[in-house]
Amino acid sequence: EAQVTQNPRYLITVTGKKLTVTCSQNMNHEYMSWYRQDPGLGLRQIYYSMNVEVTDKGDVPEGYKVSRKEKRNFPLILESPSPNQTSLYFCASSLSSGFNEKLFFGSGTQLSVL
Amino acid sequence: QKEVEQNSGPLSVPEGAIASLNCTYSDRGSQSFFWYRQYSGKSPELIMFIYSNGDKEDGRFTAQLNKASQYVSLLIRDSQPSDSATYLCAVRIWNSNSGYALNFGKGTSLLVTP
Repeated sequence: EAQVTQNPRYLITVTGKKLTVTCSQNMNHEYMSWYRQDPGLGLRQIYYSMNVEVTDKGDVPEGYKVSRKEKRNFPLILESPSPNQTSLYFCASSLSSGFNEKLFFGSGTQLSVL
Repeated sequence: QKEVEQNSGPLSVPEGAIASLNCTYSDRGSQSFFWYRQYSGKSPELIMFIYSNGDKEDGRFTAQLNKASQYVSLLIRDSQPSDSATYLCAVRIWNSNSGYALNFGKGTSLLVTP
């Protein structure tokens, strides 16, 4: 089944403890992206990747890191999480960033930073 | 920032009625338009996309695009309580760094009452 897989689904952590949220897609998509979603603010892009070893900042990149060493994987790293990073996170992918490409989302990760 | 605007709602319609969801966008260069449905705590799910002016129908859903007025809408016929969700409008806009970036509105909450 074609899908974007995120793990974990729920995560509770404490301020300053490094964490990684994994994202994997099995559709051979070139484009991958991370979003956070907060009430009243909608979906905001954190980072995106056009292809392997090509990543760039989105609208809200502060406090996050990403890497794209393989086409299928695009992990999101929080080196020193803070409470303002408590949010619902989504990984998404599309075949490319062409105008007619559809973006597919993972199931989400609800992160709480205490 | 290229704007995508939606009324946050909630939009309340009785079961069996037509729900009309609207979206306006600021960039005349926008190329393609997507509607996602998102249930609370779940990931966005693509339900419709449209590239050309006019109407596009898929089952109970009709997307309408008017590029001159910079307006895209989603009609849901014979609304069901299971249609109660937040509907996100997304617009692909050319970005020299990221190709056709996908900009999301903040969503309209739809409530279908039995």
